[in-house]
Amino acid sequence: DGGITQSPKYLFRKEGQNVTLSCEQNLNHDAMYWYRQDPGQGLRLIYYSQIVNDFQKGDIAEGYSVSREKKESFPLTVTSAQKNPTAFYLCASRFDRSSGNTIYFGEGSWLTVV
Amino acid sequence: SQQGEEDPQALSIQEGENATMNCSYKTSINNLQWYRQNSGRGLVHLILIRSNEREKHSGRLRVTLDTSKKSSSLLITASRAADTASYFCATSMKTSYDKVIFGPGTSLSVIP
Repeated sequence: DGGITQSPKYLFRKEGQNVTLSCEQNLNHDAMYWYRQDPGQGLRLIYYSQIVNDFQKGDIAEGYSVSREKKESFPLTVTSAQKNPTAFYLCASRFDRSSGNTIYFGEGSWLTVV
Repeated sequence: SQQGEEDPQALSIQEGENATMNCSYKTSINNLQWYRQNSGRGLVHLILIRSNEREKHSGRLRVTLDTSKKSSSLLITASRAADTASYFCATSMKTSYDKVIFGPGTSLSVIP
């Protein structure tokens, strides 16, 4: 089945640790995105990537890092510099500009700092 | 730097009634989209309206766009309990096409 797979679904992190959230898509989409969602809130853009080996900061990039070595993969690392990382993280992708800006989401990853 | 803002923040209606949600944005856009999110899940795309369009329909959904007022509305007609969810508008700015920004959302409760 085609889609976007995020893993793990639930992750617990100790303070001071880095963790990496995985996002894989087999839709052959060009652009990929990471958003953060706090309870009862909207989505805030962390990073996005339009092509392989290139990515741009979103509105809340501090304390996060990404890589885009392959078209289908866009992992997000939550570093120890992120002071309040407990949140729901959503990965998304988009085919190309000719299809408009419709983006497709994974099912999300819950990160809790313990 | 939030691009889109929805209102109301929360809306509670009876099944069968219509639900209207509004979205305002600050800068010129390429297009505006509406998404739906069930609690704890990913978002699902509902409809996209381009900046040169004024109205679009999809089933029980009707979206309008007023670029002079920088606002959009989403109308869900004949609501059902299954429509209970959060609804978000998302925009991409003319100056940064690939950067898609979401508003804070409207939480809709449809009471059977």
